[in-house]
Amino acid sequence: SQKIEQNSEALNIQEGKTATLTCNYTNYSPAYLQWYRQDPGRGPVFLLLIRENEKEKRKERLKVTFDTTLKQSLFHITASQPADSATYLCALGAGGFKTIFGAGTRLFVKA
Amino acid sequence: DTGVSQNPRHKITKRGQNVTFRCDPISEHNRLYWYRQTLGQGPEFLTYFQNEAQLEKSRLLSDRFSAERPKGSFSTLEIQRTEQGDSAMYLCASSPKDKNIQYFGAGTRLSVL
Repeated sequence: SQKIEQNSEALNIQEGKTATLTCNYTNYSPAYLQWYRQDPGRGPVFLLLIRENEKEKRKERLKVTFDTTLKQSLFHITASQPADSATYLCALGAGGFKTIFGAGTRLFVKA
Repeated sequence: DTGVSQNPRHKITKRGQNVTFRCDPISEHNRLYWYRQTLGQGPEFLTYFQNEAQLEKSRLLSDRFSAERPKGSFSTLEIQRTEQGDSAMYLCASSPKDKNIQYFGAGTRLSVL
Protein backbone atom coordinates (compact mmCIF):
# COMPACT_ATOMS: atom_id res chain seq x y z
CA SER A 1 0.00 0.00 0.00
CA GLN A 2 1.02 3.61 -0.44
CA LYS A 3 2.63 5.23 2.58
CA ILE A 4 4.30 8.48 3.55
CA GLU A 5 6.29 8.23 6.77
CA GLN A 6 7.62 11.05 8.88
CA ASN A 7 9.19 10.60 12.28
CA SER A 8 6.27 10.67 14.68
CA GLU A 9 8.52 11.48 17.61
CA ALA A 10 9.18 15.14 18.23
CA LEU A 11 12.61 16.49 17.44
CA ASN A 12 14.22 18.57 20.17
CA ILE A 13 17.32 20.58 19.32
CA GLN A 14 19.31 23.47 20.70
CA GLU A 15 19.17 26.91 19.13
CA GLY A 16 21.86 27.38 16.51
CA LYS A 17 22.03 23.71 15.55
CA THR A 18 20.83 22.17 12.29
CA ALA A 19 17.50 20.36 12.38
CA THR A 20 17.09 17.47 9.95
CA LEU A 21 13.67 15.97 9.28
CA THR A 22 13.03 12.86 7.22
CA CYS A 23 10.24 11.88 4.84
CA ASN A 24 10.09 8.36 3.42
CA TYR A 25 7.52 7.06 0.99
CA THR A 26 6.56 3.74 -0.56
CA ASN A 27 4.58 2.80 -3.65
CA TYR A 28 4.56 6.34 -4.99
CA SER A 29 6.39 7.83 -7.93
CA PRO A 30 5.88 11.50 -7.19
CA ALA A 31 6.72 14.11 -9.78
CA TYR A 32 7.44 16.53 -6.94
CA LEU A 33 7.64 16.73 -3.18
CA GLN A 34 6.80 19.68 -0.93
CA TRP A 35 7.42 20.74 2.63
CA TYR A 36 4.95 22.80 4.62
CA ARG A 37 5.06 24.33 8.08
CA GLN A 38 2.04 24.22 10.39
CA ASP A 39 1.60 26.12 13.65
CA PRO A 40 -1.05 25.09 16.21
CA GLY A 41 -4.55 26.11 15.17
CA ARG A 42 -3.45 27.32 11.74
CA GLY A 43 -3.39 25.96 8.21
CA PRO A 44 -0.14 24.71 6.66
CA VAL A 45 2.16 27.21 4.98
CA PHE A 46 4.18 26.26 1.90
CA LEU A 47 7.97 26.30 2.28
CA LEU A 48 9.70 24.49 -0.60
CA LEU A 49 8.97 22.33 -3.63
CA ILE A 50 11.49 19.99 -5.23
CA ARG A 51 10.92 18.12 -8.47
CA GLU A 52 11.91 14.52 -9.23
CA ASN A 53 14.78 15.63 -11.47
CA GLU A 54 16.24 17.92 -8.78
CA LYS A 55 18.59 16.65 -6.10
CA GLU A 56 18.63 19.67 -3.82
CA LYS A 57 16.81 22.97 -3.29
CA ARG A 58 17.69 25.84 -0.98
CA LYS A 59 15.84 28.84 0.39
CA GLU A 60 17.54 31.00 2.98
CA ARG A 61 18.20 28.68 5.97
CA LEU A 62 16.19 25.83 4.47
CA LYS A 63 17.50 22.98 2.34
CA VAL A 64 15.60 20.04 0.86
CA THR A 65 17.03 16.94 -0.80
CA PHE A 66 15.10 14.39 -2.87
CA ASP A 67 16.41 10.89 -3.54
CA THR A 68 14.01 9.01 -5.80
CA THR A 69 16.11 5.82 -5.52
CA LEU A 70 15.91 5.76 -1.74
CA LYS A 71 12.38 7.23 -1.91
CA GLN A 72 13.36 9.77 0.68
CA SER A 73 13.49 13.51 1.24
CA LEU A 74 15.50 15.29 3.91
CA PHE A 75 14.56 18.74 5.15
CA HIS A 76 17.23 20.81 6.90
CA ILE A 77 16.94 24.02 8.89
CA THR A 78 20.35 25.51 9.59
CA ALA A 79 21.10 27.91 12.47
CA SER A 80 17.74 26.98 14.00
CA GLN A 81 15.82 29.47 16.13
CA PRO A 82 13.03 29.05 18.70
CA ALA A 83 10.69 30.65 16.12
CA ASP A 84 11.29 27.59 13.90
CA SER A 85 9.38 25.46 16.42
CA ALA A 86 6.38 24.03 14.55
CA THR A 87 5.12 20.89 12.82
CA TYR A 88 6.68 20.23 9.43
CA LEU A 89 4.67 18.32 6.85
CA CYS A 90 5.96 16.44 3.83
CA ALA A 91 3.60 16.28 0.85
CA LEU A 92 3.81 14.30 -2.40
CA GLY A 93 2.34 15.03 -5.78
CA ALA A 94 0.13 11.96 -6.24
CA GLY A 95 -0.94 12.42 -9.84
CA GLY A 96 -2.54 15.40 -11.55
CA PHE A 97 -2.83 18.15 -8.99
CA LYS A 98 -3.64 15.87 -6.05
CA THR A 99 -1.34 16.12 -3.03
CA ILE A 100 -0.96 13.59 -0.21
CA PHE A 101 0.43 14.72 3.16
CA GLY A 102 2.44 12.89 5.77
CA ALA A 103 1.52 13.08 9.45
CA GLY A 104 4.24 15.64 10.17
CA THR A 105 7.11 15.93 12.62
CA ARG A 106 7.03 18.37 15.54
CA LEU A 107 10.20 20.38 15.97
CA PHE A 108 11.10 22.13 19.23
CA VAL A 109 14.06 24.50 19.23
CA LYS A 110 15.28 25.42 22.71
CA ALA A 111 16.92 28.75 23.43
CA ASP B 1 -5.76 39.93 -1.29
CA THR B 2 -6.32 38.59 2.21
CA GLY B 3 -5.70 34.93 1.46
CA VAL B 4 -7.99 31.93 1.76
CA SER B 5 -10.94 32.58 4.03
CA GLN B 6 -12.96 29.90 5.82
CA ASN B 7 -16.18 30.32 7.76
CA PRO B 8 -17.12 29.59 10.40
CA ARG B 9 -13.89 29.14 12.34
CA HIS B 10 -15.60 26.90 14.86
CA LYS B 11 -18.79 24.86 14.70
CA ILE B 12 -20.36 22.85 17.49
CA THR B 13 -23.26 20.65 16.52
CA LYS B 14 -25.25 17.73 17.83
CA ARG B 15 -24.99 14.32 16.28
CA GLY B 16 -27.40 13.88 13.41
CA GLN B 17 -27.46 17.55 12.39
CA ASN B 18 -26.30 18.86 9.03
CA VAL B 19 -23.48 21.39 8.80
CA THR B 20 -22.13 23.51 5.96
CA PHE B 21 -18.75 25.19 5.72
CA ARG B 22 -17.68 27.87 3.30
CA CYS B 23 -14.33 28.55 1.67
CA ASP B 24 -13.39 31.68 -0.27
CA PRO B 25 -10.15 31.03 -2.17
CA ILE B 26 -7.60 33.57 -3.30
CA SER B 27 -9.13 35.33 -6.28
CA GLU B 28 -8.10 33.95 -9.68
CA HIS B 29 -6.93 30.66 -8.16
CA ASN B 30 -8.61 28.04 -10.31
CA ARG B 31 -8.04 25.02 -8.08
CA LEU B 32 -9.62 24.50 -4.68
CA TYR B 33 -9.02 21.65 -2.24
CA TRP B 34 -10.75 20.34 0.86
CA TYR B 35 -8.90 18.38 3.55
CA ARG B 36 -9.76 16.94 6.95
CA GLN B 37 -7.20 16.94 9.75
CA THR B 38 -7.36 15.21 13.11
CA LEU B 39 -5.01 15.69 16.03
CA GLY B 40 -1.51 14.43 15.34
CA GLN B 41 -2.21 13.69 11.69
CA GLY B 42 -1.52 15.49 8.46
CA PRO B 43 -4.25 16.89 6.23
CA GLU B 44 -6.27 14.07 4.64
CA PHE B 45 -7.37 14.73 1.06
CA LEU B 46 -11.14 14.90 0.59
CA THR B 47 -11.76 16.45 -2.82
CA TYR B 48 -10.61 19.09 -5.27
CA PHE B 49 -12.06 21.34 -7.94
CA GLN B 50 -10.63 22.88 -11.04
CA ASN B 51 -12.83 25.88 -11.65
CA GLU B 52 -16.36 24.54 -11.04
CA ALA B 53 -15.56 20.91 -11.94
CA GLN B 54 -15.04 18.44 -9.10
CA LEU B 55 -12.17 16.37 -10.49
CA GLU B 56 -11.50 13.91 -7.71
CA LYS B 57 -13.17 12.74 -4.54
CA SER B 58 -11.57 10.55 -1.89
CA ARG B 59 -12.94 7.06 -1.41
CA LEU B 60 -12.83 7.86 2.31
CA LEU B 61 -15.57 10.42 1.75
CA SER B 62 -18.91 8.87 2.54
CA ASP B 63 -22.11 9.83 0.76
CA ARG B 64 -22.90 12.08 3.75
CA PHE B 65 -20.25 14.50 2.46
CA SER B 66 -20.80 16.74 -0.54
CA ALA B 67 -18.89 19.70 -1.90
CA GLU B 68 -19.78 22.30 -4.49
CA ARG B 69 -18.10 25.16 -6.27
CA PRO B 70 -20.97 26.47 -8.35
CA LYS B 71 -19.36 29.41 -10.11
CA GLY B 72 -15.75 28.44 -9.82
CA SER B 73 -15.21 30.89 -6.98
CA PHE B 74 -16.21 30.03 -3.39
CA SER B 75 -16.92 26.46 -2.32
CA THR B 76 -19.11 24.81 0.29
CA LEU B 77 -18.62 21.50 2.09
CA GLU B 78 -21.74 19.94 3.60
CA ILE B 79 -21.85 17.06 6.04
CA GLN B 80 -25.25 15.47 6.53
CA ARG B 81 -26.31 13.50 9.62
CA THR B 82 -23.07 14.29 11.44
CA GLU B 83 -21.40 11.64 13.56
CA GLN B 84 -18.93 12.04 16.42
CA GLY B 85 -16.20 10.68 14.13
CA ASP B 86 -16.65 13.71 11.89
CA SER B 87 -15.11 15.92 14.59
CA ALA B 88 -11.97 17.37 13.03
CA MET B 89 -10.43 20.45 11.45
CA TYR B 90 -11.64 20.99 7.89
CA LEU B 91 -9.08 22.82 5.78
CA CYS B 92 -9.52 24.52 2.44
CA ALA B 93 -6.66 25.42 0.10
CA SER B 94 -6.39 27.06 -3.29
CA SER B 95 -3.75 27.00 -6.01
CA PRO B 96 -3.01 29.23 -8.98
CA LYS B 97 -3.10 27.83 -12.49
CA ASP B 98 -0.18 25.53 -13.35
CA LYS B 99 1.45 25.79 -9.94
CA ASN B 100 1.46 23.05 -7.35
CA ILE B 101 1.70 25.32 -4.33
CA GLN B 102 -1.34 25.29 -2.06
CA TYR B 103 -2.39 28.24 0.06
CA PHE B 104 -4.39 27.15 3.08
CA GLY B 105 -7.07 28.83 5.10
CA ALA B 106 -7.12 28.72 8.89
CA GLY B 107 -9.69 25.92 8.84
CA THR B 108 -13.08 25.23 10.40
CA ARG B 109 -12.98 23.20 13.60
CA LEU B 110 -16.03 20.94 13.89
CA SER B 111 -17.08 19.39 17.17
CA VAL B 112 -19.92 16.87 17.07
CA LEU B 113 -21.47 16.23 20.47
